[in-house]
Amino acid sequence: GNSVTQMEGPVTLSEEAFLTINCTYTATGYPSLFWYVQYPGEGLQLLLKATKADDKGSNKGFEATYRKETTSFHLEKGSVQVSDSAVYFCALAQGAQKLVFGQGTRLTINP
Amino acid sequence: DGGITQSPKYLFRKEGQNVTLSCEQNLNHDAMYWYRQDPGQGLRLIYYSQIVNDFQKGDIAEGYSVSREKKESFPLTVTSAQKNPTAFYLCASSSRIYSNQPQHFGDGTRLSIL
Repeated sequence: GNSVTQMEGPVTLSEEAFLTINCTYTATGYPSLFWYVQYPGEGLQLLLKATKADDKGSNKGFEATYRKETTSFHLEKGSVQVSDSAVYFCALAQGAQKLVFGQGTRLTINP
Repeated sequence: DGGITQSPKYLFRKEGQNVTLSCEQNLNHDAMYWYRQDPGQGLRLIYYSQIVNDFQKGDIAEGYSVSREKKESFPLTVTSAQKNPTAFYLCASSSRIYSNQPQHFGDGTRLSIL
């Protein structure tokens, strides 16, 4: 079945550092891929998405490129802020199958 | 603004008691979902509904029940049969069941045992 594997956390960075959170997936065909963000005590918010190979999703300075050849959807940001501290979830959706989430990566940004 | 409203934000359950978590959406979405989130873990699907008066078990349905009498509402009851109910519960919706469209989430209900 479909699965998503995320980089284990927690990840701690200093403000203005470069961020990468790795996400790889297992699926047949061409699933849609998502990154969700969860701030403390809140639900999940869609951060960005990509629906086909080589698509780049972007939002709030975050980017992720759908790489079919490496089955990856790594999340990147060039300069993180304290307000980016949250838990990040990579997820996969494919047709009539349920949405599959990774385990989540907790990110802490220190000033 | 359209969105999903979960209530209450915090809920406490006594031994042997059933409690009901509310979820209301005004996004006109057909599909709704309930997830359970435990500390440091991902989301696990409890129940889902693709249309009014229809719902299906997810991966961890034991000890839970739902109803879908209105399109906007999908309440979750945590029964006394659920022996480890302490968790963060998230409700979500999407335009269609398990389409490639993203799911929209509420802000969650944190359930604890007294």
